[in-house]
Amino acid sequence: DGGITQSPKYLFRKEGQNVTLSCEQNLNHDAMYWYRQDPGQGLRLIYYSQIVNDFQKGDIAEGYSVSREKKESFPLTVTSAQKNPTAFYLCASRMDSSTNEKLFFGSGTQLSVL
Amino acid sequence: AQSVTQLGSHVSVSEGALVLLRCNYSSSVPPYLFWYVQYPNQGLQLLLKYTTGATLVKGINGFEAEFKKSETSFHLTKPSAHMSDAAEYFCASRNTGGFKTIFGAGTRLFVKA
Repeated sequence: DGGITQSPKYLFRKEGQNVTLSCEQNLNHDAMYWYRQDPGQGLRLIYYSQIVNDFQKGDIAEGYSVSREKKESFPLTVTSAQKNPTAFYLCASRMDSSTNEKLFFGSGTQLSVL
Repeated sequence: AQSVTQLGSHVSVSEGALVLLRCNYSSSVPPYLFWYVQYPNQGLQLLLKYTTGATLVKGINGFEAEFKKSETSFHLTKPSAHMSDAAEYFCASRNTGGFKTIFGAGTRLFVKA
């Protein structure tokens, strides 16, 4: 079955540590996105990528980094510069970034600080 | 700037009652509009979307929404609530030809037996 796989489901970060969240899709989608979800704030865009080897900052990119070396993969690194990383992180993809098609979402990663 | 406002962070209805979740958008031109549902500890699933054409849009699980340009609204309704409808609902918009989908803060729906 086609879909988006996020791993791990739960992740704990120690102070000063960088951690990487995995996102893999087998939908052959061009566009991929990372959102952060906090209670009562909805989803906020961290980074997005329209094609391989290209990505743009979203609304809250500070303290995060991404790469897009392969079409199917869009990992997110939460760096030590992100002082409040505890949140639910959602990866999404879309067939073509210029169409009216919906976003497909992974099941999320809950990141907590030890 | 593009934005989405959902009125009411929590809505509680009795089983069998009407569900009404409110959404207003702000955009220089009518955008694409979406409603997504999220069950606990899961990703979001699309309920319905408005792009062009008919302003009354029907989605899955008996939900529908009406695009009203004059009111810049896209409210979600369901005639009769079911216990399985308890979840968080997000309204979202994306400008025509745009790359970014903007989400509202979400409304958590509680259904009482």
